[in-house]
Amino acid sequence: GAGVSQSPSNKVTEKGKDVELRCDPISGHTALYWYRQSLGQGLEFLIYFQGNSAPDKSGLPSDRFSAERTGGSVSTLTIQRTQQEDSAVYLCASSLDFGYTFGSGTRLTVV
Amino acid sequence: AQTVTQSQPEMSVQEAETVTLSCTYDTSESDYYLFWYKQPPSRQMILVIRQEAYKQQNATENRFSVNFQKAAKSFSLKISDSQLGDAAMYFCAFEANSGYALNFGKGTSLLVTP
Repeated sequence: GAGVSQSPSNKVTEKGKDVELRCDPISGHTALYWYRQSLGQGLEFLIYFQGNSAPDKSGLPSDRFSAERTGGSVSTLTIQRTQQEDSAVYLCASSLDFGYTFGSGTRLTVV
Repeated sequence: AQTVTQSQPEMSVQEAETVTLSCTYDTSESDYYLFWYKQPPSRQMILVIRQEAYKQQNATENRFSVNFQKAAKSFSLKISDSQLGDAAMYFCAFEANSGYALNFGKGTSLLVTP
């Protein structure tokens, strides 16, 4: 597609449930990033994928968070046993050489 | 570690006027990039302007320009002839050439009044 696509756009889940957030990067972009934007905050780096290299998971806040990228394309961010503090907008971005293209994010609300 | 500080949570400007958004950063890196991103209610982050630290000349993009003061670690954004469509959250961001993750400030909400 022409841009970075994220789904779902909005997700409401009950505390303790698992959720999966999806990111479809721009075709051919080798780098993919996940960021989290909590209310009133800037974006917080979560994880970075580059080609076939091992991902940089240094930004994941706890072991309840994990992500994978299949075939160097689509990525899924999984949050297990969601907590209320996980409520935020989760943004995905992809890149080729320089410059990032962001998706419109998934707004996650944990009730 | 790098930190990015935006000291103005909210700013307001009248249509057709000029407004300046402030950003300071802290880093020990010598080679880096600085960005301003716009985030409208659609949530998508849109690149407004980019500055390479090794370039002394300030970047400009149409009505948007920056005042980059490397020694002071300051990177402000000037919006000239403000338009209603400029209303959004604006984020300052830093990327070290040795890294790959963007470090963001907390943002400035810009209101444009008719």
